Amino acid sequence: KQEVTQIPAALSVPEGENLVLNCSFTDSAIYNLQWFRQDPGKGLTSLLLIQSSQREQTSGRLNASLDKSSGRSTLYIAASQPGDSATYLCAADSGAGSYQLTFGKGTKLSVIP
Amino acid sequence: GAVVSQHPSRVICKSGTSVKIECRSLDFQATTMFWYRQFPKKSLMLMATSNEGSKATYEQGVEKDKFLINHASLTLSTLTVTSAHPEDSSFYICSARGGSQPQHFGDGTRLSIL
Repeated sequence: KQEVTQIPAALSVPEGENLVLNCSFTDSAIYNLQWFRQDPGKGLTSLLLIQSSQREQTSGRLNASLDKSSGRSTLYIAASQPGDSATYLCAADSGAGSYQLTFGKGTKLSVIP
Repeated sequence: GAVVSQHPSRVICKSGTSVKIECRSLDFQATTMFWYRQFPKKSLMLMATSNEGSKATYEQGVEKDKFLINHASLTLSTLTVTSAHPEDSSFYICSARGGSQPQHFGDGTRLSIL
């Protein structure tokens, strides 16, 4: 059974800092790895999706990497802004026809102005 | 981009009431829809997977008679919490996927049972 762990559980940084969020998964046989953002009381916004054959994906100030062999993914946020404050979730897609996502508990990010 | 609409966003009702939550894919055909439950400071927990026109597949520990799921069309799935009790209070989120689309998520429903 896939298990996804995110470290740290919470992170507070001053505005402008670069930061890295970590995600690890136990079963390397994944279809893809996704990063989401969740604002309080809201649903999920997809940030980046990395296919199993890819090493990284970039969107604006966000860069996500994937190392299947070690079961790790990182989300790098450059030049953080207060508007980046949210909970960031990673999820492993098992594929195999089910496309079920296994989520980590998330990292709650606070960017201090 | 693809959009999934979930309604209502918030429900407050008395114990014993049945509550229906709708999940609609607005611009793509959702062959598969997923229902999740999220407890405070916890991961999203998959409750069930539903494919259009067939019975939902429930995860272990999820009562199918308590959480009724219907996916009668390619754009609509509903979750009905039957005879809801305070322990059913939670944040429920749906997602939908179809064709080449990855899962797109609704905005969630905050259910509070008094």
